[in-house]
Amino acid sequence: AQTVTQSQPEMSVQEAETVTLSCTYDTSENNYYLFWYKQPPSRQMILVIRQEAYKQQNATENRFSVNFQKAAKSFSLKISDSQLGDTAMYFCAFISYGGSQGNLIFGKGTKLSVKP
Amino acid sequence: DTGVSQDPRHKITKRGQNVTFRCDPISEHNRLYWYRQTLGQGPEFLTYFQNEAQLEKSRLLSDRFSAERPKGSFSTLEIQRTEQGDSAMYLCASSLEGQGGEKLFFGSGTQLSVL
Repeated sequence: AQTVTQSQPEMSVQEAETVTLSCTYDTSENNYYLFWYKQPPSRQMILVIRQEAYKQQNATENRFSVNFQKAAKSFSLKISDSQLGDTAMYFCAFISYGGSQGNLIFGKGTKLSVKP
Repeated sequence: DTGVSQDPRHKITKRGQNVTFRCDPISEHNRLYWYRQTLGQGPEFLTYFQNEAQLEKSRLLSDRFSAERPKGSFSTLEIQRTEQGDSAMYLCASSLEGQGGEKLFFGSGTQLSVL
């Protein structure tokens, strides 16, 4: 069974600094997608970034980038120039390609606080 | 584009009562999902529709739960004879087939409290 582990329940960072959130996963699949979702106090889950496992190049979206290490099954999120609006729960998620549609497997989340 | 909308945002009910939630997906999306999220946990998959067909249900979806998506548009999730353990946030999401990698767009959820 696939699992997603986020080992940091809470983290904090000063505004404008950089923070890295960790995620590891376990799967026997070779083709899959990995995601980071953000859930602010408004509760709406917002897609931050997506990585296709067959792509070696790490995905980037503006201030957000990932470090995808397929052999180590590691998928960390780096937030540069942190902003107060980045304060939220961050969830790492996995889905196998061609597997059960919609069955995203989420980690337990990391609560990020950005301090002024 | 109004995004995925869910109604109500909050629902308080007494144990044993029935409740129904509604989800309106993004209009051109043909896939619709229901997830449940309890405190301190990530969302857990409940069920999934492609158009009006319910293609998958998780083991979490007991026989007290039923979901429908008539005409492939909005969806309803009904919980019969609610129990305190049903207290959670119920999230709906939608996606467009062919996007690849299941890029899901979520609503703001319905928070259910069973007293």
